[in-house]
Amino acid sequence: DIQMTQSPSSLSASVGDSVTLTCRASEDIRTYVAWFQQKPGGAPKSLIYGASTLHSGVPSKFSGSGSGTDFTLTINSLQPEDFATYFCQQYYVYPFTFGPGTILDFK
Amino acid sequence: QITLKESGPTLVKPTQTLTLTCTLSGVSVTERGVSVGWIRQPPGKALEWLAVVYWDYNKRYSPSLRSRLSVTKDTSKNQVVLTMTNMDPVDTATYFCAHRREGPGQGWFHPWGQGTLVTVSS
Repeated sequence: DIQMTQSPSSLSASVGDSVTLTCRASEDIRTYVAWFQQKPGGAPKSLIYGASTLHSGVPSKFSGSGSGTDFTLTINSLQPEDFATYFCQQYYVYPFTFGPGTILDFK
Repeated sequence: QITLKESGPTLVKPTQTLTLTCTLSGVSVTERGVSVGWIRQPPGKALEWLAVVYWDYNKRYSPSLRSRLSVTKDTSKNQVVLTMTNMDPVDTATYFCAHRREGPGQGWFHPWGQGTLVTVSS
């Protein structure tokens, strides 16, 4: 199975900050990575697919990059609604696997 | 607009079989290219992919849970049904279904259902 790791596991930031979250795959997955945002008690919300393409309706403050094994999610100008947990997932091969998540909370 | 909604029991006893239903709207489960996945999330933990069923009835399962899982479709109701046997307290989790489209460069899960929390306890 392809292992997905994320760093940091948690990150404290302030409103207005920009942050970069990292996701790493144990094998080359080209750009078959998706990023999700999840708030407590809620379902994952799709942010990015194909490593860098934003889903319709996702603000341009979110951006993704990377290919192969290393990927990043950058969030600019943090707002209160951005504080959540962020997961990455590879859909290159079965079994699909998710990263453990990065908790983004208020400093 | 595609939406999904999970339904099923909130509480099951150890050794029982869990049956969950995912009802889709805005897309047909028989439409070429459409697949539906199941993913679960134990409280406070990460997401775990369980299974996918395709428009043509092909299926894929998590290797670690393959022996306990079955996924089927009820095309008359536009539903996908997940069955998990021999439930254990460690299977306590929120279970999500999600839409997925097959094709070159595609395959991500979007959108997701709201999820349903299943507790396994005697």
